[in-house]
Amino acid sequence: GENVEQHPSTLSVQEGDSAVIKCTYSDSASNYFPWYKQELGKGPQLIIDIRSNVGEKKDQRIAVTLNKTAKHFSLHITETQPEDSAVYFCAASGYSTLTFGKGTMLLVSP
Amino acid sequence: ETGVTQSPTHLIKTRGQQVTLRCSSQSGHNTVSWYQQALGQGPQFIFQYYREEENGRGNFPPRFSGLQFPNYSSELNVNALELDDSALYLCASSPRGPGTGADNEQFFGPGTRLTVL
Repeated sequence: GENVEQHPSTLSVQEGDSAVIKCTYSDSASNYFPWYKQELGKGPQLIIDIRSNVGEKKDQRIAVTLNKTAKHFSLHITETQPEDSAVYFCAASGYSTLTFGKGTMLLVSP
Repeated sequence: ETGVTQSPTHLIKTRGQQVTLRCSSQSGHNTVSWYQQALGQGPQFIFQYYREEENGRGNFPPRFSGLQFPNYSSELNVNALELDDSALYLCASSPRGPGTGADNEQFFGPGTRLTVL
């Protein structure tokens, strides 16, 4: 089955800096790669996603890049703000199920 | 538009008991998936329901079972609870069914926190 590795496990940045979270996957059949933000006591919130026919997608301060050959994808957050502090999960899917990474705790200090 | 809702919010059970968790899908969504999230881990897929039938199952034993109703809401049942079943149980709904190419776009509810003592 699919296996997703996510790094780093924790990331601390200063407000205004950029943050990058990286994931690798194992199943070449996977074609959908969403990113979720999970705040304490809440369910995961879909923040951006990318499909395998696209190399990059951007939504305001958030961008995701995908390298299908190398089987890795990354989340980029620019101009970080304290409210970006949360746990971020990447996931990969080839059919209906999502396989998640173990998460990255992002801490943005004012 | 109402998002995914789950009940109860929290639940405490003892080992060996049975539990039922409930989920109402987002308006217009016909596919429901259940995930288990242990503390400090990513969600793990339990199973998915579409048109009231199970459509895919993760690596969970048969004591984890589910239902989907005609209004697309769903239940997760766990029998013979074990201590390791303590986790956040998440329900996610999708706007399109299997085979559409967009059925993996999933929106999560707030979860039910289950504690087994």
